[in-house]
Amino acid sequence: KNQVEQSPQSLIILEGKNCTLQCNYTVSPFSNLRWYKQDTGRGPVSLTIMTFSENTKSNGRYTATLDADTKQSSLHITASQLSDSASYICVVSGSNTNAGKSTFGDGTTLTVKP
Amino acid sequence: NAGVTQTPKFQVLKTGQSMTLQCAQDMNHEYMSWYRQDPGMGLRLIHYSVGAGITDQGEVPNGYNVSRSTTEDFPLRLLSAAPSQTSVYFCASRGFGETQYFGPGTRLLVL
Repeated sequence: KNQVEQSPQSLIILEGKNCTLQCNYTVSPFSNLRWYKQDTGRGPVSLTIMTFSENTKSNGRYTATLDADTKQSSLHITASQLSDSASYICVVSGSNTNAGKSTFGDGTTLTVKP
Repeated sequence: NAGVTQTPKFQVLKTGQSMTLQCAQDMNHEYMSWYRQDPGMGLRLIHYSVGAGITDQGEVPNGYNVSRSTTEDFPLRLLSAAPSQTSVYFCASRGFGETQYFGPGTRLLVL
């Protein structure tokens, strides 16, 4: 069964600090991995998308890494801001016959405090 | 581009009523999906479509029907609403290998 597990479930950090969120998956065959940010009451918004051959992708203060061998990904947030408070969701899509489906993690809830 | 649009934004139903949640996208995306998100929980896939005329079930399809007669539209039908279907519903679309775009959500309360 395809699964995506994220850790930690929740995280509280002080403004200006860095943090790293983890994502482990068992989706196979693999097509791509995406990180989303979901603000409370809003739909998820894409941060990064990575395919099998990509190890790192950045989007401003967000940097995602992918190790396709160990099936692990991380999202690193640098110099956090209050507006980074949100749920961060890891999503993995399969290839070929699985192309229409994406497997969602339950998300990590990040709270940035002043 | 308007992106992914959903209507209505809010809806209150009585148990047993039926309704259709509308979803449309103007990006010519092949893939469209419906998710539900319960309070404090992750998104769960209800139904998805890989193109006009093609639909398939996700994790939690019971009580819902979909159809895809055009590339742009992907309505979700609740056949006989139950309190367990109280949730926020998100529609999403993407092209092949591209990122997924989500609509703003429909908040449904079933009494």
